[in-house]
Amino acid sequence: KQEVTQIPAALSVPEGENLVLNCSFTDSAIYNLQWFRQDPGKGLTSLLLIQSSQREQTSGRLNASLDKSSGRSTLYIAASQPGDSATYLCAVPTTSGTYKYIFGTGTRLKVLA
Amino acid sequence: SQTIHQWPATLVQPVGSPLSLECTVEGTSNPNLYWYRQAAGRGLQLLFYSIGIDQISSEVPQNLSASRPQDRQFILSSKKLLLSDSGFYLCAWSGSGGYNEKLFFGSGTQLSVL
Repeated sequence: KQEVTQIPAALSVPEGENLVLNCSFTDSAIYNLQWFRQDPGKGLTSLLLIQSSQREQTSGRLNASLDKSSGRSTLYIAASQPGDSATYLCAVPTTSGTYKYIFGTGTRLKVLA
Repeated sequence: SQTIHQWPATLVQPVGSPLSLECTVEGTSNPNLYWYRQAAGRGLQLLFYSIGIDQISSEVPQNLSASRPQDRQFILSSKKLLLSDSGFYLCAWSGSGGYNEKLFFGSGTQLSVL
């Protein structure tokens, strides 16, 4: 059974720092991995989808990497800004042919001005 | 472009009352549709998913039900709410083109059962 873990649960950094968020999964037979952002009281916003055949994806100051063999993905945020403060979640689809997505519990990021 | 609408944004209901949350998707056809619940400080729990009309799967035994009366409409219902039904409910959709489709979420409904 696939399990997705995100550590740490919370992170505070000063503005301008580069930071890395971690996502681990137990079953390496994944099709893709998605990173999302959630602001308090809001829905989730898709940030990046990295397919199993890819090693990384970039969007602006965000870079997601995927290492299937080790069951890990990282989300790198360059030059962090207070507006980046949010909860970041990763998710993987199950491989059972049911199109279900399993989510990590998220990392709550606070960027201090 | 595709959009997803979910309403209401906030709902306060007494225990034992019925529930109906609605979600519609525009700009696509035959989407996969999902209902998730997010309890305070916890992860997302998948409640129902649907890959087509009349194809709805339940993930968690509970007093909730889901229906898909039209291709792009997904409804979450309950006949009698429990205190434990409180939470943040999220509707989501993905394309039907396979596993490498992104997942898109609605803005959520904060449900408080008192």
